[in-house]
Order: sequence, then C-alpha cells, then structure tokens
Amino acid sequence: EAGVAQSPRYKIIEKRQSVAFWCNPISGHATLYWYQQILGQGPKLLIQFQNNGVVDDSQLPKDRFSAERLKGVDSTLKIQPAKLEDSAVYLCASSLWHQHTEAFFGQGTRLTVV
Amino acid sequence: GDSVTQMEGPVTLSEEAFLTINCTYTATGYPSLFWYVQYPGEGLQLLLKATKADDKGSNKGFEATYRKETTSFHLEKGSVQVSDSAVYFCALKRDSNYQLIWGAGTKLIIKP
Repeated sequence: EAGVAQSPRYKIIEKRQSVAFWCNPISGHATLYWYQQILGQGPKLLIQFQNNGVVDDSQLPKDRFSAERLKGVDSTLKIQPAKLEDSAVYLCASSLWHQHTEAFFGQGTRLTVV
Repeated sequence: GDSVTQMEGPVTLSEEAFLTINCTYTATGYPSLFWYVQYPGEGLQLLLKATKADDKGSNKGFEATYRKETTSFHLEKGSVQVSDSAVYFCALKRDSNYQLIWGAGTKLIIKP
C-alpha cells in the first residue's frame, strides 16, 4: 500500500515570499490533516478535511495560510507571505473516517524562512 | 478542552533498563489513544493504539493500557535498546470529529 506522499521535502525561501506544499493521501482515506511541527514540539493541527470539506481550521492563520482539497483527494497548503516564525516541518497525514483508525503520516516538508 | 499531557524529557536510560513514559489525557466521550514514534530524521509512525477502556496495545516490545479510571495511557518496555532512541508522542482521537490531539513529545535517549 502506498503511503502519504508529500513534496517538496525541503524548501528555503526568503521572508515575504510565498510557498506551496502538496500532499497525496492514502487512497480511500477521507480525512486529511495538515500539521505544523516546530523543532522540539508536538504537531500543531492547522487544518483537517473530511473529503473536500473543512472539519477544523481554527488554528490556521488565515491571513497568510490557505489550504484546499479539491475533489477530496490531493491537498495543497500555501503560505503567503511567509514569516521567519513559519520555519517548521509541515506534516500531512490521512486517516479513514473512523474514530478507531490511526493517521498515517508523510515524510513532511522542512521549510526554512530566511 | 481535550488535551494530552506527557512527561517532559529527555529521558536517559542505559540499555536493558525498564522504560515508562507517562501520558494522561482529558477528553469527553470515548477517544481512541495512540503512541507514535519519531526516529531521528524520519516521519511520525504509529507504535501502538488502544480503542476502548482496558485495551492493551503492544508492538515491538512496547505496551500501553487504556486506563479510563486514571485517564492514562503510559508507555512501557521491559528492556530498551539503543535503537529505541527517538521522540515518543502520545495522542488521542476524538470520537466526535476525529481530531487528533497531541502531547508535546518525550525524547528518549538510550546509552549503550
């Protein structure tokens, strides 16, 4: 079974530039999560989708972050404009729409804003 | 709101020592509980899970029991190895909107 695919693996940008991350979840997984993980901390949920609808985006900084999941499959997360404090690993995870099933994670995208 | 609290690290042990990493949670309803592990330079992967009270999850010599009366899900291993060095995350999955709530992680260092 193919895992969660993310790209790119690494990205370095200057502050005020824009950046986009892509995620392809496991086939058939209705739930898709985007997390921000700052070094030394646990994952912080940015947005959760069920199919192509948003379940929770309460911690997404909507003035600069946006995310979409067209057709309920692939998803993109965008930051525009980036700030220094956005430097982190951005993790995508997917899960079946059921409370007992675990989430599967991609390798993440390490973003450095300089 | 719902939350997960883990013991602070780093936890440093010698090889073959007994390991306990504490995890307690606050949640309404009947969440499922998970332990994830993150090895250096790698992504998060599921270590074990338990979906109802008194369930015991186990994998790779690690165990954790879902204790509803103490709202705990402590991770244990009888004899750790150097290869167990990693960051361990406790998490719960809400039974309402299936949101995953995470602990801050506990770094484990095993010395030979």
